[in-house]
Amino acid sequence: QVQLVESGGGMVQPGKSLRLSCAASGFTFRIHGMSWVRQAPGKGLEGVATLWYDGSNRYYADSVKGRFTISRDNSKNTLSLEMNSLRVDDTAVYFCARLKYNNYIDYWGQGTVVTVSP
Amino acid sequence: QLVLTQSPSASASLGASVKLTCSLSSGHTTYAIAWHQHQPGKGLRFLMKINSDGSPTKGDGIPERFLGSSSGAERYLTISSLQSGDEAAYYCQAWGTGLQVFGGGTQLTVL
Repeated sequence: QVQLVESGGGMVQPGKSLRLSCAASGFTFRIHGMSWVRQAPGKGLEGVATLWYDGSNRYYADSVKGRFTISRDNSKNTLSLEMNSLRVDDTAVYFCARLKYNNYIDYWGQGTVVTVSP
Repeated sequence: QLVLTQSPSASASLGASVKLTCSLSSGHTTYAIAWHQHQPGKGLRFLMKINSDGSPTKGDGIPERFLGSSSGAERYLTISSLQSGDEAAYYCQAWGTGLQVFGGGTQLTVL
């Protein structure tokens, strides 16, 4: 069955960096677009970044543009999110998600917690 | 700009039905959307995709009690025979210029 397992979350100070990973299994990773979605404490869901199946297109939320980079390794079935210059308002649970036809999310990971605090 | 609007809360009695609404912003009224369920402590689950004509594509193992429909700029999720386990936050999601866009979510309380 489809599994998405995030790792790499933790507590960091503002201005520091963190790299999240998502290990995918149970499906043909290289034919699916992938996304990172986050949920700040007490808030709703926010799309952070999307990467098409072949890596040809990347999209970012305005709030993270220039600071976060989404990437994938289709040989290792892994999605990554490099987060630099972290801010307090980046504190959230970060979810890895699989896309159907580069469009809608059809599977979610369990999430990894990122806390940015002085 | 693509915006999805949901009521923050809804409630219905055990065994009854409830209809949740997701409204698409002007200029985006023909877009398809997806519905997702977020149960406390259980993670997120894709329920279904709803096209503008109301035709659904359901996720794996989603019970028939969960139905999707569409009318104009509105996309609906109807849950019948409500169970206590249906108490959750429900989010609609669309895809704008490549990025995923979400409604604010509706917290469903089963009385």
